[in-house]
Amino acid sequence: GDSVTQMEGPVTLSEEAFLTINCTYTATGYPSLFWYVQYPGEGLQLLLKATKADDKGSNKGFEATYRKETTSFHLEKGSVQVSDSAVYFCALSGGGSQGNLIFGKGTKLSVKP
Amino acid sequence: IAGITQAPTSQILAAGRRMTLRCTQDMRHNAMYWYRQDLGLGLRLIHYSNTAGTTGKGEVPDGYSVSRANTDDFPLTLASAVPSQTSVYFCAPPGAPLHFGNGTRLTVT
Repeated sequence: GDSVTQMEGPVTLSEEAFLTINCTYTATGYPSLFWYVQYPGEGLQLLLKATKADDKGSNKGFEATYRKETTSFHLEKGSVQVSDSAVYFCALSGGGSQGNLIFGKGTKLSVKP
Repeated sequence: IAGITQAPTSQILAAGRRMTLRCTQDMRHNAMYWYRQDLGLGLRLIHYSNTAGTTGKGEVPDGYSVSRANTDDFPLTLASAVPSQTSVYFCAPPGAPLHFGNGTRLTVT
């Protein structure tokens, strides 16, 4: 079945460092891809999305490009801030009879000042 | 999540007890989903319903049941709660919600 694999955490970075969180997927058909973020004590929020190959989703300085050839959707940010400390989840929506979201296990990011 | 209401917001439940988590929507979504979120495991699909009168099993259905008597209500029932069902539960519409809300935080002791 469809699945999402993202890099294990936790990831600890200094402020202004470059961030990459890897995400790869397995899916039949052509899924839409998403990154969600969960700040401490809050619910999941949609951070960005891409619905077809080569699309780039972006929001709040974060970017991810839908790479069909490598089945990847890596999350990047050029300069992280302390306020970016959160758990990040990669997810896909493959349609089919269920139409649900399939999530990775999450990657905890801690940014130190 | 706008248009979707879950109740209760939190609950402490003794093992072996029966519990129903309520989910009500006013957005007329045909499809609805129940997920659980556990530390280190992300969100996993418990059950889903594609339309009123139909339900299906997700990734982790054991110990749970759902019903869909009408479009608006999609309750999740734990017939006999066990500690491994301690989790945060989310009722969600189709697609990718902008925000999942705080869900229902259930602790089974």
